[in-house]
Amino acid sequence: EVQLVESGGGLVQPGRSLRLSCAASGFTFDDYAMHWVRQAPGKGLEWVSGIRSNSGRIAYADSVKGRFSISRDNAKNSLYLQMNSLRTEDTALYYCAKDDGSGSYVFDYWGQGTLVTVSS
Amino acid sequence: DIQMTQSPSTLSASVGDKVTITCRASQSISSWLAWYQQKPGKAPKLLIYKASSLESGVPSRFSGSGSGTEFTLTISSLQPDDFATYYCQQYDTYPYTFGQGTKLEIK
Repeated sequence: EVQLVESGGGLVQPGRSLRLSCAASGFTFDDYAMHWVRQAPGKGLEWVSGIRSNSGRIAYADSVKGRFSISRDNAKNSLYLQMNSLRTEDTALYYCAKDDGSGSYVFDYWGQGTLVTVSS
Repeated sequence: DIQMTQSPSTLSASVGDKVTITCRASQSISSWLAWYQQKPGKAPKLLIYKASSLESGVPSRFSGSGSGTEFTLTISSLQPDDFATYYCQQYDTYPYTFGQGTKLEIK
């Protein structure tokens, strides 16, 4: 059974940093691209960042480019999101999502999310 | 960026109804469209990919159609478990954008 478990969320002041983690199990992690997708409270979904299986291709939404950094450790079956210079508009539930295998940014499994609140 | 616009934003229907949700793209995305279902407090669930391909394990009452700029998600006979919010997502062009969502409510 595929499982994705996010952690690392919390309350942080604007301008500070936070690092999210996603522990994956139930599939061959290093065969799949992985993504972060966020959802602001009461709002819709926004793709944030994605990373190919071998970290060879990385992409970011314009809203986080230059501030967020995605990485993965295939030996630990883990995905990360380093978030710097956080803004109030980054407040959201952050989901870790597995690519469906086609590398085409379709998300077939999602974690339950970790909440990031940016507030002074 | 490609804008994805869903209609309606809210839909009231009854168990057994056939319902259709529309998603329009601001430019052609071929068939690179997915549909997700999200229930309150839960993560989204993939229903349809490549506009009309049913994800494994998804009931056959769900179907998708369309290409280019106009797409539909149809539920042939609503079940109690189907009341949720539905999102379309284009994956033709970076950034990979979602529609604003359609909330399907019990009438």
